[in-house]
Amino acid sequence: DTEVTQTPKHLVMGMTNKKSLKCEQHMGHRAMYWYKQKAKKPPELMFVYSYEKLSINESVPSRFSPECPNSSLLNLHLHALQPEDSALYLCASSLEAPGTHYRSPLHFGNGTRLTVT
Amino acid sequence: GNSVTQMEGPVTLSEEAFLTINCTYTATGYPSLFWYVQYPGEGLQLLLKATKADDKGSNKGFEATYRKETTSFHLEKGSVQVSDSAVYFCALGSGNTGKLIFGQGTTLQVKP
Repeated sequence: DTEVTQTPKHLVMGMTNKKSLKCEQHMGHRAMYWYKQKAKKPPELMFVYSYEKLSINESVPSRFSPECPNSSLLNLHLHALQPEDSALYLCASSLEAPGTHYRSPLHFGNGTRLTVT
Repeated sequence: GNSVTQMEGPVTLSEEAFLTINCTYTATGYPSLFWYVQYPGEGLQLLLKATKADDKGSNKGFEATYRKETTSFHLEKGSVQVSDSAVYFCALGSGNTGKLIFGQGTTLQVKP
């Protein structure tokens, strides 16, 4: 069982829809991440929150909007997506925020499989 | 810049065979190194890690040693099982960038 919980597991949305992905962890981790993974590829970093503040945005299009309401929750708001945005969206957390030493491993959820029609 | 190179797959082995998946890296400073595994339909799980040169990470029969002189972190297992079939990612964590850099992944298929 994963300690990072993502909902929903699957999502199908049209290009005009607005939807949100949710992620929750109760391990007291100080950093949370959104990754996008295409089939047979490694995960690509989208956003990093450290201590509930956005610390890294990998030039992600504005149709993806992250939100960190508190230290345990992370949302990804989706609006006006394109078919090429279809992918597995992974949330992750780590005990320590990335810094001088990157020793804390990431704990991943099982992801949301998103299909944009 | 920082990068990770993994051997291309897929790797197909018979049960109880010896496994090696090669991973080499390029980095400034003193990165931490990780192996993650992704089973079908799941997210990534940490398999093992090493945070400094000559450290050996181990878990579930898998091992990898952080070799600074050869900039490598090869994954090994003495006897694979069908349940080890998955995609394996080597990754580098660099404090310089605050990011985890993944290799391209190696698919392992173990046949009975």
